[in-house]
Amino acid sequence: AIQMTQSPSSLSASVGDRISITCRASQGIRNDLGWYQQKPGKAPKLLIYAASSLQNGVPSRFSGSGSGTDFTLTISSLQPEDFATYYCLQDYSYPRTFGQGTKLEIK
Amino acid sequence: EVQLVESGGGLVQPGGSLRLSCAASGSTFSDYWMTWVRQTPGKGLEWVANIKRDGSEKHYVDSVNGRFTISRDNSKNSLYLQMNSLRAEDTALYYCTRDVTHYGPGGSYFDAFDLWGQGTMVTVSS
Repeated sequence: AIQMTQSPSSLSASVGDRISITCRASQGIRNDLGWYQQKPGKAPKLLIYAASSLQNGVPSRFSGSGSGTDFTLTISSLQPEDFATYYCLQDYSYPRTFGQGTKLEIK
Repeated sequence: EVQLVESGGGLVQPGGSLRLSCAASGSTFSDYWMTWVRQTPGKGLEWVANIKRDGSEKHYVDSVNGRFTISRDNSKNSLYLQMNSLRAEDTALYYCTRDVTHYGPGGSYFDAFDLWGQGTMVTVSS
């Protein structure tokens, strides 16, 4: 199975900051990667698919980049509602695999 | 409103069985692959299994292969997960998700989980 490694595992930031989260695949996955946001007690929400395509309704401050093995989720200007846990997911091969998550906390 | 509603979770002894259900409404269920994802308490997400639109193709994570069976009934807009030989490590919140396929250039396509249920909790314990 392809392993997905996210970094950092946790991150403290302030409203208005620009932050980036990275996800590395154990082998090349083209751009078959999505990013999900999960808030406590809620189901995950799709933010980005195909590494860089923004899901309908997701604010444009979210962006994704990368291809092959290295991917990045960037939030350009953090809003209070963005503090959550973020997961990457590869859909290149079976079994699908998630990263371990990055918890974004308020500084 | 388009939604997915899971049911069937509960407390079961190790070695026991449980059948989860997911009822879909508000969209054409048979147009989509469907997936089960689980989340252990306080931990991350794990993809469990998925099934093709017509049920003809299924995939499983190794840890459940041979013990879990995913199925669907398109006439009832429902997805199922039959879980046998349950282990303590199967304890988790189980989500039903809808797989949307986005088509790109050159015949490429990308899958993503655009709709999630609220989850149903499975606890395996004696």
